[in-house]
Amino acid sequence: SQQGEEDPQALSIQEGENATMNCSYKTSINNLQWYRQNSGRGLVHLILIRSNEREKHSGRLRVTLDTSKKSSSLLITASRAADTASYFCATTGANSKLTFGKGITLSVRP
Amino acid sequence: EAGVAQSPRYKIIEKRQSVAFWCNPISGHATLYWYQQILGQGPKLLIQFQNNGVVDDSQLPKDRFSAERLKGVDSTLKIQPAKLEDSAVYLCASSFPGGHTGELFFGEGSRLTVL
Repeated sequence: SQQGEEDPQALSIQEGENATMNCSYKTSINNLQWYRQNSGRGLVHLILIRSNEREKHSGRLRVTLDTSKKSSSLLITASRAADTASYFCATTGANSKLTFGKGITLSVRP
Repeated sequence: EAGVAQSPRYKIIEKRQSVAFWCNPISGHATLYWYQQILGQGPKLLIQFQNNGVVDDSQLPKDRFSAERLKGVDSTLKIQPAKLEDSAVYLCASSFPGGHTGELFFGEGSRLTVL
């Protein structure tokens, strides 16, 4: 079963714009991670946020976590064509299992 | 540092045939995972090893899928006999002993097409 559900399913923006992707989950978590997958490639870890954290930054990435709403958002600022990829949120629950959502397809137009 | 290695990258077989995928994790990573990713979906965990022991294989279809990690390093995932619905990308990942509490490192995947 898939715990995280990303929203929107697909996003198309112009280079230089910001991209915001959301993830909602159902049960309590220990941490939440975001991964990127370029077409035909494996997943690459982007950022991890723990359940007691509210916001984290890494370069052009900003992740927020609202455990009361069971939701997270990933913001990519000043997007580039190279950011075109699928983005997945993944949650780790009390059973220590990492469960992925279905992913968001981001297209950044040059 | 070398990443997670997988082979073959692509495999096409007919239904009822068998296939095997190989994975070599990052050196020093005790935990190894096999995921199945069907087109348009997120990865689904098939099996998790800690060294050469199985930690979780609850979603592995054991009537046709098997996996081993005999020396606690590289691993093989086998499907026999294959069904049409097994068409997917099989991703191998590894992590430090912290397992799912931390970052997973993925290989490029093995894409299986069952005709």
